[in-house]
Amino acid sequence: EPEVTQTPSHQVTQMGQEVILRCVPISNHLYFYWYRQILGQKVEFLVSFYNNEISEKSEIFDDQFSVERPDGSNFTLKIRSTKLEDSAMYFCASKGEATNEKLFFGSGTQLSVL
Amino acid sequence: GQNIDQPTEMTATEGAIVQINCTYQTSGFNGLFWYQQHAGEAPTFLSYNVLDGLEEKGRFSSFLSRSKGYSYLLLKELQMKDSASYLCAVKNDYKLSFGAGTTVTVRA
Repeated sequence: EPEVTQTPSHQVTQMGQEVILRCVPISNHLYFYWYRQILGQKVEFLVSFYNNEISEKSEIFDDQFSVERPDGSNFTLKIRSTKLEDSAMYFCASKGEATNEKLFFGSGTQLSVL
Repeated sequence: GQNIDQPTEMTATEGAIVQINCTYQTSGFNGLFWYQQHAGEAPTFLSYNVLDGLEEKGRFSSFLSRSKGYSYLLLKELQMKDSASYLCAVKNDYKLSFGAGTTVTVRA
């Protein structure tokens, strides 16, 4: 089965530093998403992206966050100035064109902000 | 807004059946998904309902009543490997919103 690939699997950073989390969605997918999961909590929606623009974003996705599709294959999440509370597992997901298609999730990047 | 409720934990014996209920109140509805998540891993797709009724897929079945804002996931012939968190998720036009998940523990 095709896979969503995320790198790195673990990222440790100092508070206030910028981080970029990288994702390679499934090649023919058109919809892209970032979710996060704080340890022991639920999977939370951050942002959805389609046709090179943000479709919807949550209140978590403030000015410190941005997403980009710099080329035909990568989809990135940037956190400009990390805070302790940004420590979480970040999942990228992608989906094909049909409304009823499932989201495929990557294996996640565990971000630890010290 | 989105409000998706499911029980926090359930315990069952190997070989038994467990039913995980989910109630939802959401703005917009394009379908209800169930995902399985093992600790430290990504959610993986189990089932999808968009019309009322039962969808059966091997040992797993899922039911939806849109008028009641209610779904359940039925796990039959439980195996030890089914110990995991089960996530109810509602899709609107632009996103999938997850409930907090139900942790199922299967005992021998």
